[in-house]
Amino acid sequence: RKEVEQDPGPFNVPEGATVAFNCTYSNSASQSFFWYRQDCRKEPKLLMSVYSSGNEDGRFTAQLNRASQYISLLIRDSKLSDSATYLCVAFRSDGNQFYFGTGTSLTVIP
Amino acid sequence: NAGVTQTPKFRILKIGQSMTLQCTQDMNHNYMYWYRQDPGMGLKLIYYSVGAGITDKGEVPNGYNVSRSTTEDFPLRLELAAPSQTSVYFCASSYSGTGSYEQYFGPGTRLTVT
Repeated sequence: RKEVEQDPGPFNVPEGATVAFNCTYSNSASQSFFWYRQDCRKEPKLLMSVYSSGNEDGRFTAQLNRASQYISLLIRDSKLSDSATYLCVAFRSDGNQFYFGTGTSLTVIP
Repeated sequence: NAGVTQTPKFRILKIGQSMTLQCTQDMNHNYMYWYRQDPGMGLKLIYYSVGAGITDKGEVPNGYNVSRSTTEDFPLRLELAAPSQTSVYFCASSYSGTGSYEQYFGPGTRLTVT
């Protein structure tokens, strides 16, 4: 079983739509969680860290549910520039490694 | 801060050749990582280091070697290049001191082995 699993999509949504991505992690020892975005042929870039209390950054909201081992990312008022692949990531300090999901592809359509 | 820098950006190798991919970070991060990403696939961890003088194997270490003599530099060595090593290589770093572990990536090296 993969450490981090996410729906690969693709998600094709119109501009202005709200879209949600979900992710699950298998190891309860995971302690830190992140969402990255990756544009085609570019490096992953940190979008936001995910905290137990939930956190928001502009149009982006991330939630963590440790009991269900579940992470989510909500994007409101989608822009064309949001088109990318979104990676869910978990970090475990017992192995000092980051575990990446395979990514969810988002295309925002005019 | 330049962040994480990688050189070269592109490289074409012939089968059997060797090369070193360079990675430098100026954020005083203690953790550094090398990943490879094949087209349309996810990231796979090759090697990582939690500090100068300490390195560990990741998921796909065969055919590669690393060293970490300084906090800033984490070069990846390919010996006897094979077509299966054609990929995009990303170096990344993070800091454990604050407990946040946010990881930052370099722009990548695109390697083709023919």
